[in-house]
Amino acid sequence: DAGVIQSPRHEVTEMGQEVTLRCKPISGHDYLFWYRQTMMRGLELLIYFNNNVPIDDSGMPEDRFSAKMPNASFSTLKIQPSEPRDSAVYFCASSFRGKVNTEAFFGQGTRLTVV
Amino acid sequence: AQSVTQLGSHVSVSEGALVLLRCNYSSSVPPYLFWYVQYPNQGLQLLLKYTSAATLVKGINGFEAEFKKSETSFHLTKPSAHMSDAAEYFCAVSGRAGNMLTFGGGTRLMVKP
Repeated sequence: DAGVIQSPRHEVTEMGQEVTLRCKPISGHDYLFWYRQTMMRGLELLIYFNNNVPIDDSGMPEDRFSAKMPNASFSTLKIQPSEPRDSAVYFCASSFRGKVNTEAFFGQGTRLTVV
Repeated sequence: AQSVTQLGSHVSVSEGALVLLRCNYSSSVPPYLFWYVQYPNQGLQLLLKYTSAATLVKGINGFEAEFKKSETSFHLTKPSAHMSDAAEYFCAVSGRAGNMLTFGGGTRLMVKP
């Protein structure tokens, strides 16, 4: 498997524009996570899905952020409208909960810069 | 509720010296514990994990960690640092409510020649 695939790797956008980040989890994994990494706040969990259903979105900063998982192989994180403080690296991760709790596998991340 | 504290945001060692990165956790359920490494401009890669089997866990690249319940610790060690170990290291905990990971603040390891 190619691992968790995120696109784009880099995104530069102007304040007020809509941004969509994409993620393809590892095939067969039933959990998908979106994390945000900044210098100030470290790694924060934004939202996670189980079997395509959002389980906990308490980490989503505000209504400008939304996430969807229309099927087991695709998820999006959308920011509308974007603001400079949204600049960060966004990671998608997936895992499979078998008999033993397994680790999460991370994508390479999307570095978002809002100017 | 779970939380992770990593003592020392920056650690500097000489090449060949012992590496010790500290991690303390808080969990209301028996924890699953992980160490991840992040190289510049890369995603997070699993180093090792504790899942209630052996308390001494061996990982990749010569790293190991020991789970100490009485101390709520899961410190990461490596007997001899290599230049290629320079990276940021994250300790993480998850409970039984799925595989949601809570991360510590990270420790940047610098290795001096």
